[in-house]
Amino acid sequence: DTGVSQNPRHKITKRGQNVTFRCDPISEHNRLYWYRQTLGQGPEFLTYFQNEAQLEKSRLLSDRFSAERPKGSFSTLEIQRTEQGDSAMYLCASSPAGREQFFGPGTRLTVL
Amino acid sequence: QKEVEQNSGPLSVPEGAIASLNCTYSDRGSQSFFWYRQYSGKSPELIMSIYSNGDKEDGRFTAQLNKASQYVSLLIRDSQPSDSATYLCAVGDTGANSKLTFGKGITLSVRP
Repeated sequence: DTGVSQNPRHKITKRGQNVTFRCDPISEHNRLYWYRQTLGQGPEFLTYFQNEAQLEKSRLLSDRFSAERPKGSFSTLEIQRTEQGDSAMYLCASSPAGREQFFGPGTRLTVL
Repeated sequence: QKEVEQNSGPLSVPEGAIASLNCTYSDRGSQSFFWYRQYSGKSPELIMSIYSNGDKEDGRFTAQLNKASQYVSLLIRDSQPSDSATYLCAVGDTGANSKLTFGKGITLSVRP
């Protein structure tokens, strides 16, 4: 196993378009997290899954954002009607229950 | 609002010196603490975790935790130019989700 993977690595889109990102966690990890990081800031929590259940969503996650983790394996994060303020690095992390979180390489989103 | 504060940087040390990175947190009930290293344009990489008061050593890295003072630090001995990066302090949530709250990070530069 080579760790957490994320696709695409980079995404450039025009304002108003929809985008979807994918995260494949470390296979034995039942917890999956999404964070967002902007320049000069630490990552900020967006949402969290335990197996297939989405158990918490940050207030940062507006109704334009949706995340899924079907069958408790990979996860997708969709942003509808993108805005310039959505430009950021979107990070996925996985962990065994309650322990260290390991991050994927991230997806850098640029909204023009 | 839980907060994690890292002392202002950037920090510059000569090669071979000890780099000391500090972090304070606001939630007195926090139980898990992490240091991540982030190279420019890359995702955070876990370098240390600490759960109990005292010191934890791993190679050239030592994490120190003082829950009474709500303070966690990272010492890097024999600093190398390859240690030049941004170091993020993260604190785990006390709830079941274990989501992380990050500081803004401190940029370390090791001068050859």
